[in-house]
Amino acid sequence: EPEVTQTPSHQVTQMGQEVILRCVPISNHLYFYWYRQILGQKVEFLVSFYNNEISEKSEIFDDQFSVERPDGSNFTLKIRSTKLEDSAMYFCASSALSGDSYNEQFFGPGTRLTVL
Amino acid sequence: AQKITQTQPGMFVQEKEAVTLDCTYDTSDPSYGLFWYKQPSSGEMIFLIYQGSYDQQNATEGRYSLNFQKARKSANLVISASQLGDSAMYFCAMREGGDNFNKFYFGSGTKLNVKP
Repeated sequence: EPEVTQTPSHQVTQMGQEVILRCVPISNHLYFYWYRQILGQKVEFLVSFYNNEISEKSEIFDDQFSVERPDGSNFTLKIRSTKLEDSAMYFCASSALSGDSYNEQFFGPGTRLTVL
Repeated sequence: AQKITQTQPGMFVQEKEAVTLDCTYDTSDPSYGLFWYKQPSSGEMIFLIYQGSYDQQNATEGRYSLNFQKARKSANLVISASQLGDSAMYFCAMREGGDNFNKFYFGSGTKLNVKP
């Protein structure tokens, strides 16, 4: 069964450093998303991406964040200068272009980012 | 106002018993979708069940069913015949609007513990 994959599973970085979180969405999906989950809290939307541009972004997704689809398979989230409060689990998700109202989002296993 | 409210931070259930996890939602959009995801301790998000706002019947998927009460804006998840493997966090999520690629709003989750 096709699945969303994410690398690395765990990333430890120093405050102020840049990190790039990588995702490979399901191959025929067209919509891509990043969510984050601070430990013990709810999952929060960061950004959605379609047709090589951002569709929507949340207030969390400030100038320190960027997304890119550098090739036909990868979807990346870059945090330019990490802060302690960026420590969280980051989930990538993808969905198909579907006429069904159902159209679930398929989530990757997450990358746990720890900022020291 | 919170889009999704899950009022039970933690629940216990005896193995083989049924359990109901509560979820209420807030939207003025007539078109929306409601989703439940399971998050085991390993962290991945597993899709369980979907209910569309125009669906006349309550959704069912194996041991999972969704008790959809539109007037009350509730979408409770019922797990029948609980198994030890059901122990996990459970998140209710909503997608607003007729576009089936819109972002998800998540609740804060309910941690379910199934006792042998």
